[in-house]
Amino acid sequence: AQKITQTQPGMFVQEKEAVTLDCTYDTSDQSYGLFWYKQPSSGEMIFLIYQGSYDEQNATEGRYSLNFQKARKSANLVISASQLGDSAMYFCAMISIQGAQKLVFGQGTRLTINP
Amino acid sequence: GAVVSQHPSWVICKSGTSVKIECRSLDFQATTMFWYRQFPKQSLMLMATSNEGSKATYEQGVEKDKFLINHASLTLSTLTVTSAHPEDSSFYICSANRGGHEQFFGPGTRLTVL
Repeated sequence: AQKITQTQPGMFVQEKEAVTLDCTYDTSDQSYGLFWYKQPSSGEMIFLIYQGSYDEQNATEGRYSLNFQKARKSANLVISASQLGDSAMYFCAMISIQGAQKLVFGQGTRLTINP
Repeated sequence: GAVVSQHPSWVICKSGTSVKIECRSLDFQATTMFWYRQFPKQSLMLMATSNEGSKATYEQGVEKDKFLINHASLTLSTLTVTSAHPEDSSFYICSANRGGHEQFFGPGTRLTVL
């Protein structure tokens, strides 16, 4: 079975600082994908970034980068130059590429950016 | 592209009534659609996976007779909460897959059962 663990229930960061949101995972699959989603108070799930288990380079999307350490089974999200609009819930999720394409989510981290 | 809509965005109903939630992929054909439930301050929990023209696959602990899923076409899936009770009050989110690994999420439906 797959499991995602996010150990930070809440994070508080000053505007313009970088922030790292932790995510560790557990799986016996060889091929899997890792996602990060942002969920503002409106409830919509906004896709941020994706990392495949066989991708050799860490994924980057604008201010978002994924620090993928396969041996440690971690997939931390790094947000550079945080903005007030980054305040939201952030979820790490995993999918088995060979399986039923079901997403398994972590518990989430509530990020608050202070002015 | 890859837009998913849900209707209604919110609904309030009386206990014992049934509520239908629609999930549509607006600009692509969805090979698979997923239904999630999210209680306040909790994560998303997968309820069921549906493929067009076949029966939905429910996750363990989800009552298939209570949460009826119909995947009538490649662009529409519906979730009907039958005989709703206050404990069914939650945020219901659908997502759609068009063949790759990414799921495209709808904006969610907030259900309140009085």
